Amino acid sequence: LAKTTQPISMDSYEGQEVNITCSHNNIATNDYITWYQQFPSQGPRFIIQGYKTKVTNEVASLFIPADRKSSTLSLPRVSLSDTAVYYCLVGGSSGGGADGLTFGKGTHLIIQP
Amino acid sequence: DSGVTQTPKHLITATGQRVTLRCSPRSGDLSVYWYQQSLDQGLQFLIHYYNGEERAKGNILERFSAQQFPDLHSELNLSSLELGDSALYFCASSVAATQRETQYFGPGTRLLVL
Repeated sequence: LAKTTQPISMDSYEGQEVNITCSHNNIATNDYITWYQQFPSQGPRFIIQGYKTKVTNEVASLFIPADRKSSTLSLPRVSLSDTAVYYCLVGGSSGGGADGLTFGKGTHLIIQP
Repeated sequence: DSGVTQTPKHLITATGQRVTLRCSPRSGDLSVYWYQQSLDQGLQFLIHYYNGEERAKGNILERFSAQQFPDLHSELNLSSLELGDSALYFCASSVAATQRETQYFGPGTRLLVL
């Protein structure tokens, strides 16, 4: 059962790079790692997904070490609008079960001017 | 706009009552998920339907039930409401049924039980 552990909160300043790490020691071979962002009173929004090594898109990068027991979401040059809750999910491609649908409490990221 | 619609947007009701929340998934999505988010709580997974069939259950109370209809829209029924049921209820949809699928969330229904 791949559970995840994230910091409860973090803060940083505009223009900085922010890294949020998620631990998932029991990740299974066919599990993927997905990150979502949620603003107050809105539904979460997909940010990025990866399986191993590094994935980059227009908003973030995801670093996954070889043992895949953790992953790091990297937000380059954050702005005030990046203040949100970030969730790390681990789930497989085999389907079924609720484990990969556990969002938990996420990481509250606060960006200051 | 995710393409997922939820109605109503707000709902105020009294304890002991029953309400129905409705969700229409994105066009082409076969999976619907329901989540509850209370104040200061994380997103709690309730239930997942795929193409009309229940696929996974989370922390869903026996007073709550859901179904997905042939046109793929879904309804979440909450009965014998208690004050603690006040929360934001989100619906999400995805194309397939696997846990790695990207979920697209609706705007939520804010339920207040008085």
